[in-house]
Amino acid sequence: DGGITQSPKYLFRKEGQNVTLSCEQNLNHDAMYWYRQDPGQGLRLIYYSQIVNDFQKGDIAEGYSVSREKKESFPLTVTSAQKNPTAFYLCASSADWGAQDTQYFGPGTRLTVL
Amino acid sequence: AQKVTQAQTEISVVEKEDVTLDCVYETRDTTYYLFWYKQPPSGELVFLIRRNSFDEQNEISGRYSWNFQKSTSSFNFTITASQVVDSAVYFCALSEAAGDDMRFGAGTRLTVKP
Repeated sequence: DGGITQSPKYLFRKEGQNVTLSCEQNLNHDAMYWYRQDPGQGLRLIYYSQIVNDFQKGDIAEGYSVSREKKESFPLTVTSAQKNPTAFYLCASSADWGAQDTQYFGPGTRLTVL
Repeated sequence: AQKVTQAQTEISVVEKEDVTLDCVYETRDTTYYLFWYKQPPSGELVFLIRRNSFDEQNEISGRYSWNFQKSTSSFNFTITASQVVDSAVYFCALSEAAGDDMRFGAGTRLTVKP
């Protein structure tokens, strides 16, 4: 089955620790995205990648880092610099980079900082 | 800057009722795309529809229908004969041809009671 997988589903972290969220897609999509969702709010873009070995900051990139070494993988690291990391994180991909390209989403990772 | 407003935070209906979810958008671009996504309790966003700014025809897919009106900058979503399985958070989103990213509304939580 083609799709997007995110792991883990739930993640707990102590304050001051970095943590990496996994996102893998087997849709052969060029573009990938990371969003953050807080309760009662819409999605906010953290980072996006139009193509392998390239990525750009979104609206709320501070305290996060990404890499895109392989087409199918776009891991997100939440660093200790992120002041309020507890949230639901969604990864998405689209066939190409463009306004008309539909983004398809993974199941999400819920991060809780203890 | 592009903006999406979903004024209805929560809607509750009884099964078999019809319900309309409102979406109002702002954009300066003449070419843009509108989307609706469904987020069930599992968390994954499910793509429902994409509409470009040059196509104002209404669309129907089973019990779902969408009304796109450029004159009022609205892209409303109607569920006919609602079912309990329709309970979810629904997001409207806008992507501009000249823009960098997709903007989401805050979402409308729909609860369908048996």
